[in-house]
Amino acid sequence: SQTIHQWPATLVQPVGSPLSLECTVEGTSNPNLYWYRQAAGRGLQLLFYSVGIGQISSEVPQNLSASRPQDRQFILSSKKLLLSDSGFYLCAWRPSFGLAGGETQYFGPGTRLLVL
Amino acid sequence: AQSVTQLGSHVSVSEGALVLLRCNYSSSVPPYLFWYVQYPNQGLQLLLKYTSAATLVKGINGFEAEFKKSETSFHLTKPSAHMSDAAEYFCAVSVRGGSNYKLTFGKGTLLTVNP
Repeated sequence: SQTIHQWPATLVQPVGSPLSLECTVEGTSNPNLYWYRQAAGRGLQLLFYSVGIGQISSEVPQNLSASRPQDRQFILSSKKLLLSDSGFYLCAWRPSFGLAGGETQYFGPGTRLLVL
Repeated sequence: AQSVTQLGSHVSVSEGALVLLRCNYSSSVPPYLFWYVQYPNQGLQLLLKYTSAATLVKGINGFEAEFKKSETSFHLTKPSAHMSDAAEYFCAVSVRGGSNYKLTFGKGTLLTVNP
């Protein structure tokens, strides 16, 4: 079966510091990968998605970037954090296009980020 | 473009009472529809999904939802609420766009279950 991991679970960072959040998926190959942010009272916002290694699509221009150095690894980064970057970050995966169940996304446990 | 409207940001029920969480969607093409549940400080867990098969979909934890095309609705129900059902529930619609599926979420409904 497939599992998705995120770390760290919780992070407190000062404004202006860098950020690196990691997401890995096990038990599948060539998944589509997604980063979402959930801010208090604002629902889920899609930040980035990736259909393969090195292929990143950005949904919202902002202070963050994403990379996919390996097939099942997705990283969310920032060079300088802003207060507004605080939130709950969720990684998700879905089977690659054309496979059964490809329309369904499965979510990781999330990372709580507090920027002070 | 697709959209999802969840009616009621907060629903409160008594333990043992019927749970009804409302979701209406808008989509120009046949959609896939989902309900996810989120417990505090956890990720989203898939409750159930509609993928153009049976219109009445059964999910985990005794929940079910009915797809009604004429009403563009996908309401979530459970006959008898349990304390452990207290969580936030998200309705979502997924539409194919090229080689990707774009998932659009509603703003969520927080379910409180009173003893």
